[in-house]
Amino acid sequence: DVKVTQSSRYLVKRTGEKVFLECVQDMDHENMFWYRQDPGLGLRLIYFSYDVKMKEKGDIPEGYSVSREKKERFSLILESASTNQTSMYLCASSPRGVLHYTFGSGTRLTVV
Amino acid sequence: ILNVEQSPQSLHVQEGDSTNFTCSFPSSNFYALHWYRWETAKSPEALFVMTLNGDEKKKGRISATLNTKEGYSYLYIKGSQPEDSATYLCAFRPWGNEKLTFGTGTRLTIIP
Repeated sequence: DVKVTQSSRYLVKRTGEKVFLECVQDMDHENMFWYRQDPGLGLRLIYFSYDVKMKEKGDIPEGYSVSREKKERFSLILESASTNQTSMYLCASSPRGVLHYTFGSGTRLTVV
Repeated sequence: ILNVEQSPQSLHVQEGDSTNFTCSFPSSNFYALHWYRWETAKSPEALFVMTLNGDEKKKGRISATLNTKEGYSYLYIKGSQPEDSATYLCAFRPWGNEKLTFGTGTRLTIIP
């Protein structure tokens, strides 16, 4: 069964910490995406990547960066975590030119 | 940022009743409209991808219609069951772009 795996289901971090959220897919997909989901706001795109070492900003990139050194892994980095980054983070992947996204099960991050 | 809206935001439906909800999206530069079901503690699951005006898709008791000229899609659930309880997300994809813009979702609760 094809999978997108997010390393942690729940995470609690302190304000100011550097936080890494990891996402790994085993489907050889070119595209990978990071979204956050907040009540009443839906899924909002943070960053995406079309290929290894390529990255593009989404709609809300401020306070985040990403890394894609290998095709299967897309990391989201919170350089200095703040309480307004408390959220559910979802990773997704898709093959280039194919419509479906496959999602991970999410990481619920709490910044205290 | 593209405007994708869903209504209602939440819905409670008696088991056995039928229900429907709406997704509205930009009517220009349309490429595809996606529907996902997101159950608590699980990954969002793809239901339908719709690309043609007038498209109708069906999966068991769930069906969807698409009107690209006026920019809306309806999702219908016939004879609701408790396992239909979930958040239903629609997502718009424009031409020349592999990113999806999601609506805020409709949270459906089926009352036994």
